[in-house]
Amino acid sequence: DVKVTQSSRYLVKRTGEKVFLECVQDMDHENMFWYRQDPGLGLRLIYFSYDVKMKEKGDIPEGYSVSREKKERFSLILESASTNQTSMYLCASSPGFSRRFFGSGTQLSVL
Amino acid sequence: AQSVSQHNHHVILSEAASLELGCNYSYGGTVNLFWYVQYPGQHLQLLLKYFSGDPLVKGIKGFEAEFIKSKFSFNLRKPSVQWSDTAEYFCAVSPSNSNSGYALNFGKGTSLLVTP
Repeated sequence: DVKVTQSSRYLVKRTGEKVFLECVQDMDHENMFWYRQDPGLGLRLIYFSYDVKMKEKGDIPEGYSVSREKKERFSLILESASTNQTSMYLCASSPGFSRRFFGSGTQLSVL
Repeated sequence: AQSVSQHNHHVILSEAASLELGCNYSYGGTVNLFWYVQYPGQHLQLLLKYFSGDPLVKGIKGFEAEFIKSKFSFNLRKPSVQWSDTAEYFCAVSPSNSNSGYALNFGKGTSLLVTP
C-alpha cells in the first residue's frame, strides 16, 4: 500500500513565524503535490513537483514556497505565516498522470 | 479554463435511502474522471475512476458512477446508503492528454450525513 506521511497532524503557530510542513512518500512517485482544503472551497493546489528540485506553481502559490531535495520528500514552507493561512494542508503523490494518493493532512492554525 | 461543479454542498439522508451526487465539468477534450471520499478524521481516498471504456463504473463499498459525455456529467450513485457512508465526497477531473499530472481539478465537495 502506498503511504504518504505528513509529519504533523495538528500545528499551532503565531503570525509571522516561518512554518515547515513535511511530506514523505514511500512509492517512488515522480509527482508530489500540496493542497489546502477549506470548507466550501474544496481542494486547491498550492504547488506541485514532477521531479527532484523541480517545482511548479499551482492555483494559489502566494505566501508559500516548496522544496524537493529528495524524490520521496516534499516540503511546504510558509515564509511568514498569516491568519488567512489557517487551513487543512494535504500532501499527495502520484505515479504519472493517474490517481493521487493523499496523506492524512495537517491542520494548521495561525494565531 | 476547466472547472468542476458539484451541485449539492450538503446532503442529509436516512439509512437505506438512495444517493445520487451530481458532478458536471467544463472541458472540451477527453477527460479522466474521479470520485474521492474523505471519512471523518481520515485521509482522502479514491472511490472510483473512469479513464475509458464502459461509462458505468463500479467502485468500492457499492458505489458506482456513470459518465455521460453529452451532459459532461459523472454522477455518483449508491442504491442504499449506510451510516458509515457519512463523509465528504469530491469529484475530480483531469484532461486525458495532460502531460504533467498536474491538471486535476477538484469540485468543492459534497458533505453527506446519513442518519440512522
